[in-house]
This record gives sequence, C-alpha cells and structure tokens, in this order.
Amino acid sequence: GAVVSQHPSRVICKSGTSVKIECRSLDFQATTMFWYRQFPKQSLMLMATSNEGSKATYEQGVEKDKFLINHASLTLSTLTVTSAHPEDSSFYICSAREIGTPGQQFFGPGTRLTVL
Amino acid sequence: GENVEQHPSTLSVQEGDSAVIKCTYSDSASNYFPWYKQELGKGPQLIIDIRSNVGEKKDQRIAVTLNKTAKHFSLHITETQPEDSAVYFCAASSNFGNEKLTFGTGTRLTIIP
Repeated sequence: GAVVSQHPSRVICKSGTSVKIECRSLDFQATTMFWYRQFPKQSLMLMATSNEGSKATYEQGVEKDKFLINHASLTLSTLTVTSAHPEDSSFYICSAREIGTPGQQFFGPGTRLTVL
Repeated sequence: GENVEQHPSTLSVQEGDSAVIKCTYSDSASNYFPWYKQELGKGPQLIIDIRSNVGEKKDQRIAVTLNKTAKHFSLHITETQPEDSAVYFCAASSNFGNEKLTFGTGTRLTIIP
C-alpha cells in the first residue's frame, strides 16, 4: 500500500516552454500533497504544500506564478513549471499524506527535469 | 522554524557490521520523526518512523531511538548488507499546522563487501 506515482519520470524541454508534472496517490486518498525540489547531492527542499480544493501554500522564495500547483482531487496534484529556464533543471519529487495518518508522507519516484 | 542536523555526511561500514546515523532537531514541538532511504535517481522511501510518545522502535534490522530531552534521534542498522548502501535522510515535523517535514542533510552509507 501507500504507493505514489509521478509522471513523467524524465522530461527535457526547451527554454521558455511549460512543463506539467503529475503526482498521484494510487491506493489511498491524500488531502495534502507536498512538492519538493532536490539538487544533486543535496537534501530535499520543500517548495509548496498542496491541499485538495484550496490554494497551495508556497515556501519562502518559491515563485507561485512560476510553479503552478493544482490539487483537484484526493488522488491527484499537478505542478506546472511555467516558462522554464535552465536554472529550473532539477529533480522534482512529490509526496502524499494519507487521510488520518498525521505526519506520515509517502514519496513518488521523482521527475528529472532538464531545460535546454 | 525547525532545523534538523544530521551526522555523519558519509559513512562506510564493513558488511555485517552496524551503522548508526544521528540527527538533532531544534523545535520542541516536533513529535514525528521519520527516516527515509533514497537510492540514486529515485524518490525517498520511508523505512521507519517514530512518534514522540515512544523512545524506541524496531523493525527487523532497523531501529530508531528518540531522546526528547536532548532533542536527538538515531537510526541503527544491524547486520548491514550491500543493498543497504544508499543515502539516508532523517526528518522532523509536528502535528500542528500543515505538518511539513524538515529534512536533515543526508548520510551517504556505503557497505563494503
């Protein structure tokens, strides 16, 4: 149980284009999903907290107009990187918290974004 | 906000020996402490977690201990195997607010066959 999927696993795009990443909880419902960014050999940095049916809460320094988050259902959250630039290249990872299990987060496999 | 420190940053142990990774946290309101294992190119995998109402938890070769007074918690892996080689992250969160996790900086564990 507690499986989280992400799609796509890898994406290469040209500078200036937008990229959408999907995060799904496959066998449980998640009222809250989280989006992280991870640079090589570094820890996970929380970008935003996504709550189903409401606006996402962004961490300090994260541009909400650049990283659009939508959490339309209890099993799906999406992150759209708008007008991507090479400095947005990173490993993006989502996590989901199951209803009724405080604190516990299960992570997706990550999406490697490369912006040329 | 919460600050989590993790040591060591790298650790090499002989296969079959034990490995210990330590973390300290700053926010006394934190009450949930998970450990994640991350293999290259993959997302973190929850391997064990502990809540502040207990001092120790064990799952086969993996154990976690928590000292609330000193604000530190540790991961213990016994009888290490090559497949234990990975990066391990500790984290802390509280039941208040949005329960976001604050991660440690990670420990690269290498098991020497």
